Amino acid sequence: QKEVEQNSGPLSVPEGAIASLNCTYSDRVSQSFFWYRQYSGKSPELIMSIYSNGDKEDGRFTAQLNKASQYVSLLIRDSQPSDSATYLCAVKNTNAGKSTFGDGTTLTVKP
Amino acid sequence: NAGVTQTPKFQVLKTGQSMTLQCAQDMNHNSMYWYRQDPGMGLRLIYYSASEGTTDKGEVPNGYNVSRLNKREFSLRLESAAPSQTSVYFCASSEGWGLKQYFGPGTRLTVT
Repeated sequence: QKEVEQNSGPLSVPEGAIASLNCTYSDRVSQSFFWYRQYSGKSPELIMSIYSNGDKEDGRFTAQLNKASQYVSLLIRDSQPSDSATYLCAVKNTNAGKSTFGDGTTLTVKP
Repeated sequence: NAGVTQTPKFQVLKTGQSMTLQCAQDMNHNSMYWYRQDPGMGLRLIYYSASEGTTDKGEVPNGYNVSRLNKREFSLRLESAAPSQTSVYFCASSEGWGLKQYFGPGTRLTVT
């Protein structure tokens, strides 16, 4: 089992819809969770971080964390074609300190 | 601030050749990382440096060596390149160990 697993995708949504990206992790004592966006041919950039159970909102983005279920998600409201990218989930493993990345989910928002 | 810079942007090597990928950050970050990303895959950690003067192996260290030259610079060396090392290499830095990371633009390496 991979330490961090994401929906394999690709995910396609129409413009204006809500895109839902999911991530599960295996290390029960993980502390910090990050969502990175990576446009094709570019480097990843951080868009959200979340550390405690519940929801965290930042503009059109909402990160949701459920540590009991070992699940973190990213919701993108009012999706725009410019949101088309690969979204990487990263989990900080408490003991190792380093973050482990999932393989990413590619999102396409169709006009 | 330039953030994280990497050189070169592109490189083609023949099997058995060696090279060093350079990375520098100007954000006064303590931790630095080297990842590789193969097509359709996520980031795999090669080596990291939690703080100046320390380096540790990540998931895929075989065939690579690193040097944390000072707080700003972290280089990755391929001693004898192999076609399996064809990939995009990203350097990243963070203020603290495992915290949110800032990535460089990447180096596209092809080994023939």
